[in-house]
Amino acid sequence: GAVVSQHPSWVICKSGTSVKIECRSLDFQATTMFWYRQFPKQSLMLMATSNEGSKATYEQGVEKDKFLINHASLTLSTLTVTSAHPEDSSFYICSARDPGSSYEQYFGPGTRLTVT
Amino acid sequence: AQSVTQLDSQVPVFEEAPVELRCNYSSSVSVYLFWYVQYPNQGLQLLLKYLSGSTLVKGINGFEAEFNKSQTSFHLRKPSVHISDTAEYFCAVSERNAGNMLTFGGGTRLMVKP
Repeated sequence: GAVVSQHPSWVICKSGTSVKIECRSLDFQATTMFWYRQFPKQSLMLMATSNEGSKATYEQGVEKDKFLINHASLTLSTLTVTSAHPEDSSFYICSARDPGSSYEQYFGPGTRLTVT
Repeated sequence: AQSVTQLDSQVPVFEEAPVELRCNYSSSVSVYLFWYVQYPNQGLQLLLKYLSGSTLVKGINGFEAEFNKSQTSFHLRKPSVHISDTAEYFCAVSERNAGNMLTFGGGTRLMVKP
């Protein structure tokens, strides 16, 4: 089956620094990837939709200048949390759309970000 | 816009007992329905999905769900749970022709006790 990886699986950074999270589709090309945020014991909230070769579409309330998304190739999307603060600490999950399906998404294992 | 409600935030159950995790949705158009499982510090794994056809859908790990259009529900069931089923379960909906956009319910923590 289709596999999506994320790197790193966890990261600790100091307040004010920037952190980059990578999402890769390992055995298929993904023109569309999605970034979600999950707070402890809560559901997944869609942050943005990432389309290869174009600007990401952000959900209402998500700061596009703080959460920079780049989808430079058909197998890689990156999320950069700029000037991170403790309130950005969360579990970030990406998913990739199956190009052969109108409904299927494959999820990455997630990245735990802790900002101190 | 669609929404998903999972009525129970936590469901404690004894091992080998049956379980039902409830999910209701609202949408003005036809939808696809999904159940995902999430183990601690991991991503989501697809349990099963309803696209069309038979309203009773069987998934992995012995789970099944039934789509009820009149009640806009998609409850998840398992006749006999195991300790290893302890996890967070998410119901999700995607409107047809909406570009795979998924809306998730709040999640239900299934706690299986020995």
